[in-house]
Amino acid sequence: DTAVSQTPKYLVTQMGNDKSIKCEQNLGHDTMYWYKQDSKKFLKIMFSYNNKELIINETVPNRFSPKSPDKAHLNLHINSLELGDSAVYFCASSQHVAEAFFGQGTRLTVV
Amino acid sequence: AQSVSQHNHHVILSEAASLELGCNYSYGGTVNLFWYVQYPGQHLQLLLKYFSGDPLVKGIKGFEAEFIKSKFSFNLRKPSVQWSDTAEYFCAVRGTYKYIFGTGTRLKVLA
Repeated sequence: DTAVSQTPKYLVTQMGNDKSIKCEQNLGHDTMYWYKQDSKKFLKIMFSYNNKELIINETVPNRFSPKSPDKAHLNLHINSLELGDSAVYFCASSQHVAEAFFGQGTRLTVV
Repeated sequence: AQSVSQHNHHVILSEAASLELGCNYSYGGTVNLFWYVQYPGQHLQLLLKYFSGDPLVKGIKGFEAEFIKSKFSFNLRKPSVQWSDTAEYFCAVRGTYKYIFGTGTRLKVLA
C-alpha cells in the first residue's frame, strides 16, 4: 500500500486553465503539506494543514486553493494556470515532529 | 529566521570514494534534523533523522550523519559510495508545522 499517494503523476495543460491535484495518506497522520519543487530542485513549503485546519500559507498566490475534506486528504486546486506554475508538486504527511512521508509528485507543465 | 544551507551543490565521485556532504542550519528551538534522498524522477525518501541522544546517527544504505550542536551542523557521510547513490540529497530541519529544506546537493557517482 502506498503511504502517500497523489494523482495525477503528470499534468500538461494550457495557460489559463484550472486544474486539481489530489493527495491521500493512509498513515493516520495529523499534518499534511504541499511543497513545490522548481526546476533547480529547490523545495518550498506552500501549505500545511493540521487536523484539516490551514496552519501555513507561505505567500502563495490565491490562485492556489488547498482543501482538506478530512485528515487523510489534502487536495490542491489551481486557477488560471500560468507558465511559472510549471513545477513538481509534492504532497507529504507527518505525525507531529516526526519525519515527513512524501508522495510520488505531480509534474505540472503549463504550455 | 529558520534556514538550512548546503555547501556543496554538485559533487562527482568515483565508486568506492568516501562522501561527506555539509549541512548547516539556523533554528532557535529544539532541533529535529533530517537527510532525504531523491533518486532521479522519484520522490523524497528519508535517509536518517536526528531528534536527540547520540549525535552520530546511522541511516539506511550505509549512510550516517553527525550532529554538532556547537557548529550548527549535520553533515552526511558514507565511507564508500556506489553508482546507485547517484541522486539529489537534501538536508532539512523541522520548523513549526513545516520542514525547511536546503538547496540540495546533486551527487554523481562514476562507475
